[in-house]
Amino acid sequence: KQEVTQIPAALSVPEGENLVLNCSFTDSAIYNLQWFRQDPGKGLTSLLLIQSSQREQTSGRLNASLDKSSGRSTLYIAASQPGDSATYLCAPGGRGSTLGRLYFGRGTQLTVWP
Amino acid sequence: DAGVTQSPTHLIKTRGQQVTLRCSPKSGHDTVSWYQQALGQGPQFIFQYYEEEERQRGNFPDRFSGHQFPNYSSELNVNALLLGDSALYLCASSEGWGTYEQYFGPGTRLTVT
Repeated sequence: KQEVTQIPAALSVPEGENLVLNCSFTDSAIYNLQWFRQDPGKGLTSLLLIQSSQREQTSGRLNASLDKSSGRSTLYIAASQPGDSATYLCAPGGRGSTLGRLYFGRGTQLTVWP
Repeated sequence: DAGVTQSPTHLIKTRGQQVTLRCSPKSGHDTVSWYQQALGQGPQFIFQYYEEEERQRGNFPDRFSGHQFPNYSSELNVNALLLGDSALYLCASSEGWGTYEQYFGPGTRLTVT
């Protein structure tokens, strides 16, 4: 059974800092991994998708890396802004009979203050 | 291009009642999955529909059932509601091939009193 852990659970930083959010998962047999952001009471917005054969993906100020064999992914946020405040969720995707299913932890709650 | 849409936005029901939630997938997507997110928790997978059939199911009781229509839209039904069913219900859609990137809707907030 896939278990996902995200560290830290919460993070509060001043604007402009470069951030590192960590995700670990127990089953390395994944098809892909997605990072999402969730604003309070809202749905999930996809930030980055990394296929299992890839090592990293970049989109603007965001960079995500994947080390499938060790069960780890990291999301880097450069030059953080107050608008980045949200909960960030990492979700490894199953493969084979669980293809298309995402597994979630509790996420990292990020607050960026001016 | 419309993304994933869900209705209703909010819903209040009484214990023992039944509820139906609806989801329209992103244009071009044929696979729909449902997730339950309790307050302070990550989303939990309920089930996935593809070609109008339930393809996968998470650890949820039979009170949770679903349906997918020929136009790929989907319904989630919950019978005999319990207080613990109060949660944000999220629908996700994807293409049934390729990257399987999941796109989520805004969710339906269900409150059971």
